[in-house]
Amino acid sequence: DGGITQSPKYLFRKEGQNVTLSCEQNLNHDAMYWYRQDPGQGLRLIYYSQIVNDFQKGDIAEGYSVSREKKESFPLTVTSAQKNPTAFYLCASSLTSSRETQYFGPGTRLLVL
Amino acid sequence: DAKTTQPPSMDCAEGRAANLPCNHSTISGNEYVYWYRQIHSQGPQYIIHGLKNNETNEMASLIITEDRKSSTLILPHATLRDTAVYYCIVRVINAVGSARQLTFGSGTQLTVLP
Repeated sequence: DGGITQSPKYLFRKEGQNVTLSCEQNLNHDAMYWYRQDPGQGLRLIYYSQIVNDFQKGDIAEGYSVSREKKESFPLTVTSAQKNPTAFYLCASSLTSSRETQYFGPGTRLLVL
Repeated sequence: DAKTTQPPSMDCAEGRAANLPCNHSTISGNEYVYWYRQIHSQGPQYIIHGLKNNETNEMASLIITEDRKSSTLILPHATLRDTAVYYCIVRVINAVGSARQLTFGSGTQLTVLP
């Protein structure tokens, strides 16, 4: 069954702690994206990757980091520098970066203790 | 990208067709109309997209007016599981250097009533 998986579904972060959100896809898509969604608001792009070993900052990259060592994986690290990390995090992928039909994972909700 | 306007909320009786309108009066000739929906606390789900011809898939139909300034998403037989926020997005695709992100507006909250 092809799709995008994100884990965990819920994640709790303590002050000063870095946490990593997982995103895996088996759709053979080149491009992958991380978005943040706050209550009652739209999506904001954090980072995107067009191809393995390449990624670019989106609108709100500060306090986040990513890697793209494998085509199917695009993990997001929320660092301690991100002062307001509580949000719903969504990973998406598309066949290529110029093919804009993006498919989304189920999301990870990050909460700060 | 062209701006879209959608009603904030709509109700539909279960089993009836749900018709969700979207205005995009400033759409350009190379911009597609996309529809996504988001059920509470889940990731957005792609529904359908089109350029100028009407489109149909297993989920829905998309009717685009001849002048392309508005469109309607039709769910032919709405069920309770169709209750969600529906987003209409206008995007250029296959454009070199185009912005990568999807811009979701406030969408339409569709509530399917039993």
